[in-house]
Order: sequence, then C-alpha cells, then structure tokens
Amino acid sequence: AQKVTQAQTEISVVEKEDVTLDCVYETRDTTYYLFWYKQPPSGELVFLIRRNSFDEQNEISGRYSWNFQKSTSSFNFTITASQVVDSAVYFCALMNRDDKIIFGKGTRLHILP
Amino acid sequence: EAGVVQSPRYKIIEKKQPVAFWCNPISGHNTLYWYRQNLGQGPELLIRYENEEAVDDSQLPKDRFSAERLKGVDSTLKIQPAELGDSAVYLCASRHRQGELSYEQYFGPGTRLTVT
Repeated sequence: AQKVTQAQTEISVVEKEDVTLDCVYETRDTTYYLFWYKQPPSGELVFLIRRNSFDEQNEISGRYSWNFQKSTSSFNFTITASQVVDSAVYFCALMNRDDKIIFGKGTRLHILP
Repeated sequence: EAGVVQSPRYKIIEKKQPVAFWCNPISGHNTLYWYRQNLGQGPELLIRYENEEAVDDSQLPKDRFSAERLKGVDSTLKIQPAELGDSAVYLCASRHRQGELSYEQYFGPGTRLTVT
C-alpha cells in the first residue's frame, strides 16, 4: 500500500528564518514519483517540484530546496530566508507507475512578519 | 496559456438537491482528474480520464456521483442527491500524458460545495 505522511500539521516561523517541511512515504514500487505542491489561501494547488525514484540528486530553486533520500523514504522541503508570501499549505504527494497519486494531509505554514 | 478552469467557484445547496461542477482542462491535456478535498486534508482522487475514457473510478461513490467527459475535453461531475458529508472542495486537474517529462498535474481553483 502507498502512504504519504506529513507529520507536521502546522508550523509557524518568523520571517527570514529557514524552515523544513518533512515528508515520509511508503511504497512497494521501485519506480515512483514524488511531488510537492503549494496551496495558498486562494485554494489552487501550485506545482513546485517532481522527482522520480531514480534521481536522488537534491535540487535547489531559489530559496527552495529539496532533499530526497531513498534510504529513509523521505523527501523533505526547505525554504530558506522565509517570506510572508510563503504562508500556505504544502502537500507532498506520491505517484506510482499506475498513475495513482496519493497526497499527504499537508503542512500549514505560517510565516510571521 | 490558460490554466484549468472550473465553475462555479462556490455552491451552496440543500441536502437531497442535485449539483454539477464543470471543468475545462488546459488545452492539449489528455488526462483529467477530479479530486475531493475535505477540510484539513489532502486531495483524494475521485476519477481519472484518459481522453474520454474513465480509467480509474474506483474511488467514485457511484450511487450518487457521476462524471462524464464526452468529447475528451471538458468534464462534468454531478452529485445527486447531495448529502451533508459531500461538503468539500472539488478540484479538477489535468496533465499531458506523453513521455517522461509530463507527469505534473495542473490544478484548477476548485469548487467549494456547502450542503446545508
């Protein structure tokens, strides 16, 4: 069975602090895809990143970085020098080869000015 | 490029009434998804279409929910009759499924349904 766990329900940090959102997944597939989506108050999910199971390279995009570790089945997301506009709910998701995608329950991030 | 369009954005109905949601995916996207998102939860798949064919409807409560995508473009999701527990945000997403580079789903703004 597939499962995505985002243990942090809600996080609050002061602007300019770094923050890491955790994501742990379970799957028996050897080929799978991991995603992060951002859901701002407007409600629309915004795609941030996709990573396939064969690519364990970490990725950096501006203030965002992702740490994929197959050994611990984790795909964590770090925001450096957070800004108020980063406040949103962030979802981690897992998709297998059958195109079934499972979302975690999300982490609500509050960036305090 | 226009994004995924959904209407209406909000809908309030009384229980036992029917309701329908409409989705127009991104042009050229052959895969379309309907999700339900309950408060404080992640989206849960209801149905997935490849062109006009429903390839995964295992999570769709077929006693009251139905969906169609007749021409393989826009889609309608219907609930009849609605129950209080159907209150949620209904999200539509689309994806161009061709090759390794196209696995991202793009989401619409959703329809927030309140059943009273």
